[in-house]
Amino acid sequence: QSLLTQPPSVSGTPGQTITMTCSGDTSSIGSYTVSWYQHVPGTAPKLLIFSNIQRPAGVPDRFSGSKSGTSASLAISGLQSDDEADYYCASWDHSLKQVFGGGTRLTVL
Amino acid sequence: VHVAESGGDIVQPGESLRLSCTVSGFVFGEYAMFWVRHTPGKGLEWVAGVSYNSGTKGYADSVKGRFTISRDTAKNSLYLQMNSLRVEDTALYYCVKGLDYSPTGALDAWGQGTTVTVSS
Repeated sequence: QSLLTQPPSVSGTPGQTITMTCSGDTSSIGSYTVSWYQHVPGTAPKLLIFSNIQRPAGVPDRFSGSKSGTSASLAISGLQSDDEADYYCASWDHSLKQVFGGGTRLTVL
Repeated sequence: VHVAESGGDIVQPGESLRLSCTVSGFVFGEYAMFWVRHTPGKGLEWVAGVSYNSGTKGYADSVKGRFTISRDTAKNSLYLQMNSLRVEDTALYYCVKGLDYSPTGALDAWGQGTTVTVSS
């Protein structure tokens, strides 16, 4: 079972801003950084955010990450139809194993 | 950056399988590497990771003692030896480049995956 908890689904309309959450504890998010990944089924996952707030080159600034205590959030502004995907947060535990959240399915209405 | 997995197959419970991953477009010996698997029901699951110099290796509890990750810098290749396979190991297995040398870094570049099916 995931040590990181994500809502199963979130939805929004084009142009809207949505936020999805990732809840952990002091042994995971509370101690280590958070990454976010976008996964369109059938394609390779893509790194969106690392070190809580950093974007790799090529990731639009519509995607932003934040972290507070034992929780993290991913915000997507100016929602577009091709943002429809599964989004996973990830962090580490005290035995230095990476843990993923269960994923949030984003639907663009 | 290019990452390509191979070796996926259909096997019976208890059998072994070796996955391979060849990379190009970056200096393989400077980055940590990982295996991550995906199933429709459970989503993404980190399987194993190895530091840039093979000095540190880590495994998910679900595979520890059965799977072994290794790398060959001369061949720009990453491997996953999977023994005592179980039905629950059925998944799409991704080879992933780390963001840097650390085995606790983010997962930077993913392959397209290779499918492992364990079934009697």
